[in-house]
Amino acid sequence: DAGVTQSPTHLIKTRGQHVTLRCSPISGHKSVSWYQQVLGQGPQFIFQYYEKEERGRGNFPDRFSARQFPNYSSELNVNALLLGDSALYLCASSWGQPNTEAFFGQGTRLTVV
Amino acid sequence: KNQVEQSPQSLIILEGKNCTLQCNYTVSPFSNLRWYKQDTGRGPVSLTIMTFSENTKSNGRYTATLDADTKQSSLHITASQLSDSASYICVVANTDKLIFGTGTRLQVFP
Repeated sequence: DAGVTQSPTHLIKTRGQHVTLRCSPISGHKSVSWYQQVLGQGPQFIFQYYEKEERGRGNFPDRFSARQFPNYSSELNVNALLLGDSALYLCASSWGQPNTEAFFGQGTRLTVV
Repeated sequence: KNQVEQSPQSLIILEGKNCTLQCNYTVSPFSNLRWYKQDTGRGPVSLTIMTFSENTKSNGRYTATLDADTKQSSLHITASQLSDSASYICVVANTDKLIFGTGTRLQVFP
C-alpha cells in the first residue's frame, strides 16, 4: 500500500516564477493538508481540503492557492515566488477531518534563488 | 491563542542513555495530541497519538504521557540509538486543524 507521495522532491525556481507542487494521498483518504516548514522551525498550516472543498486556510498571502481533484489528489500553487518561500512543503493525508490521524509525505524542497 | 511549546529546543545525549522531551499546550477545544519524529529534510512520522482519556502510550522505546489537567505531555526515549537523532515534534489537534510545536532537536552521539 503506497503512502503519501509528493512530487517533485526537489525544485529550484527564480524569484517571480510560479510553482505547482503535487500530492497523492493514501488510498481511501479524503483529506489533504499542506504545510510550509522553514528550516529550523515547525510546519505552518497553509490549506486543508476535505471532500474536494477547502476546509481551512492558514495565514498565507493570496499568492498561495490549492485545489483537490475528484481522485483526492491535490496541487499547491505559489505565484510570484519570493526568496522567503524557500522551504520544505509537506502534504498530509487523513481519512477525515484534521483531528483524525495524519500521514505525511516526504515533502518537496523548494529553493527560490 | 492556540499554542504548543516544546522544551528543550535541542538536546545532546550519549548512545544508550534515556531522555525526556516536554510539551506544553494551550489548545481549545482539545481533540488529541501526537508526537512525530522528523529526520532532516523528510516528512514527519507518527510515533504516538493520544486522546483526552489516555495517560500514557508506548511505541517500542518511545513512551508518551499526557496530563490533560495541566496540559502537558512528555516523550521518553529509552536506551537511545544513533538513529534516534532527529527532530521530535509535538502536535495538538483541535476539531479544525493541527497545531505544531517548533520541535526538539535530538542528537545522539556514540
